[in-house]
Parts: sequence; C-alpha cells; structure tokens
Amino acid sequence: AQTVTQSQPEMSVQEAETVTLSCTYDTSESNYYLFWYKQPPSRQMILVIRQEAYKQQNATENRFSVNFQKAAKSFSLKISDSQLGDTAMYFCAFMEIQGAQKLVFGQGTRLTINP
Amino acid sequence: ETGVTQSPTHLIKTRGQQVTLRCSSQSGHNTVSWYQQALGQGPQFIFQYYREEENGRGNFPPRFSGLQFPNYSSELNVNALELDDSALYLCASSHPTGPHPYEQYFGPGTRLTVT
Repeated sequence: AQTVTQSQPEMSVQEAETVTLSCTYDTSESNYYLFWYKQPPSRQMILVIRQEAYKQQNATENRFSVNFQKAAKSFSLKISDSQLGDTAMYFCAFMEIQGAQKLVFGQGTRLTINP
Repeated sequence: ETGVTQSPTHLIKTRGQQVTLRCSSQSGHNTVSWYQQALGQGPQFIFQYYREEENGRGNFPPRFSGLQFPNYSSELNVNALELDDSALYLCASSHPTGPHPYEQYFGPGTRLTVT
C-alpha cells in the first residue's frame, strides 16, 4: 500500500520569507500523480499544485513550486515570498493512475506565517 | 461554474444512530469521492462513485455505504454510529477526461460529532 510521510508537524516563518515543506512517499508504481493541498481554518481543501510522475520538469504555480525527486520518492513544496494568507495546514497527497482515483494523504504540516 | 457543496455543515448524533451526508458535485463532474478526516489527521479515503457505481473502497466497515444519483450528486450513509466516527467528512468531485482528469475538487465538509 502507498504511504505518504510529512515529517514536519509544524513550521513557522516570517512574512516574505521562503519556506519548504517536505514530503516522502512509498510506492511500487511507476506512473502516478502527486499533489499539495492547502486547508485553511475554513476547512476547505484547496489544490495548490500537482505533479505528474512521468514529467521530469518540476511544477510551478506562481509563488509555489515543487522539487520532485522520483528516485528518492521525495516531493517538497517551496513557497516563495510567503504571505499571511498562506497560513494553513498543508497536505501532500499521492494518487496512483490505475484503479480508483483515490488520494492518499500525509499527516499534514501546520504552517504559520507571522507578520 | 458551481463548486462542490455539502450538507449539512454540522451534525450532532448519538451513538447507535444513523446519519446521511449529502454532496453535490461540481458542474460536469461524474466522479465523487468521500473522505473521513479525524481531528489533526490527513483525510482517509472511504469510497468513490463513478456513474452511479462504486469504483473503489478504502478500509472502512460495511456500515459506511453510499449512493450516487443520475445527476452525480452523492450520499454517504453511516449506520450504528460509534464515537470514533466523529470527524470531518469531505466530498470531492472529479472528471476522468479533460485537461486535468485526476484533480479532485473538495467541498467544505460536514463536521459530524457523535456523543
């Protein structure tokens, strides 16, 4: 079974700083998707960024980028120029392409951006 | 475009009772997935429905059951409620074709408390 591990339960940085959240996963599949979701106190799970495993190029979405290391099964999220609105729980998630498209989530990292 | 909606927002039930949670998928999405998120944890996959048929199930007992209707809305039913069923229940919709077929869009969740 696939597992996702987020080793940083909590992180805290100052506004405008850059922060990197770590994620590792375990799978025997060669083709899959990886995602980062953000869950603010409002509870709504919001998709931040996605990465297809067959693509070597790291995904970027404005201030958000990933460092995808397939051999190491690592998928970190970098947030540049952090803003107060980035304060939230961040979940790394894995999805295999075969079978049901279920997301396997990590335990989450609570990120606080301080003014 | 209408997003994913869930009802009710909050619910309090007594151990042993039954509960039904509802989800309306995003316009055009024919796949609905349900997740259980215990406090301080990442979401856990319950099951997925595609075109009114169950398309995969996580490690949940049979007292967790579901339905999907012709308009792709969905229900999650839980019988014989236990205290450990207290959680945030998230619904997510997706469409297996299109530019981003594996992206799941989440509703705001239903907070279930079992006393």
